[in-house]
Amino acid sequence: SAVISQKPSRDICQRGTSLTIQCQVDSQVTMMFWYRQQPGQSLTLIATANQGSEATYESGFVIDKFPISRPNLTFSTLTVSNMSPEDSSIYLCSAGHQNEQFFGPGTRLTVL
Amino acid sequence: AQSVTQPDIHITVSEGASLELRCNYSYGATPYLFWYVQSPGQGLQLLLKYFSGDTLVQGIKGFEAEFKRSQSSFNLRKPSVHWSDAAEYFCAVDTGTGGGADGLTFGKGTHLIIQP
Repeated sequence: SAVISQKPSRDICQRGTSLTIQCQVDSQVTMMFWYRQQPGQSLTLIATANQGSEATYESGFVIDKFPISRPNLTFSTLTVSNMSPEDSSIYLCSAGHQNEQFFGPGTRLTVL
Repeated sequence: AQSVTQPDIHITVSEGASLELRCNYSYGATPYLFWYVQSPGQGLQLLLKYFSGDTLVQGIKGFEAEFKRSQSSFNLRKPSVHWSDAAEYFCAVDTGTGGGADGLTFGKGTHLIIQP
């Protein structure tokens, strides 16, 4: 299995600011993913991050709002830019490893 | 585009009773199918997955699921629930290669409540 950690676990931010979420995997993985889980909702895929190339974004998500870095095979960051209260969600990182996707514990973001 | 439907938003079951959570998918071919559980304050944990072969798959914590192609369903079952099973359950599909290389499409989830 793969163990995934995220930092921070939670944060409260002011509107208009940006927050960078870090995701660390204990194994080298090719694909990493970022999901958003809005309050009481399901998970929605934001983007796929492949090491060495630009992230691929799903419909409704853009790079200017959610820039992603993937500098190596064990690490990725997601930045939530110019935040508004509508960005209040749990952001989860996952990694594809040995025919499964493993998920991090999530980052709970509240925007005031 | 693929979609996943979990028709039951909430289900209440008495401890020791059997459980079935429903999941239907919409996709032109057979996708790779997953059930995840999310306990309060926890990340998602994989309960079981179906890629091919035997349509009845066994998972962790005593859960099993049956893939029925004719009904486009992948229902999760447990013969006897425990209070610790109270959680949010998500059905998900992978319409790519299934090897962890593609993002998943999730259903809206079913909130399971266990009555003593």
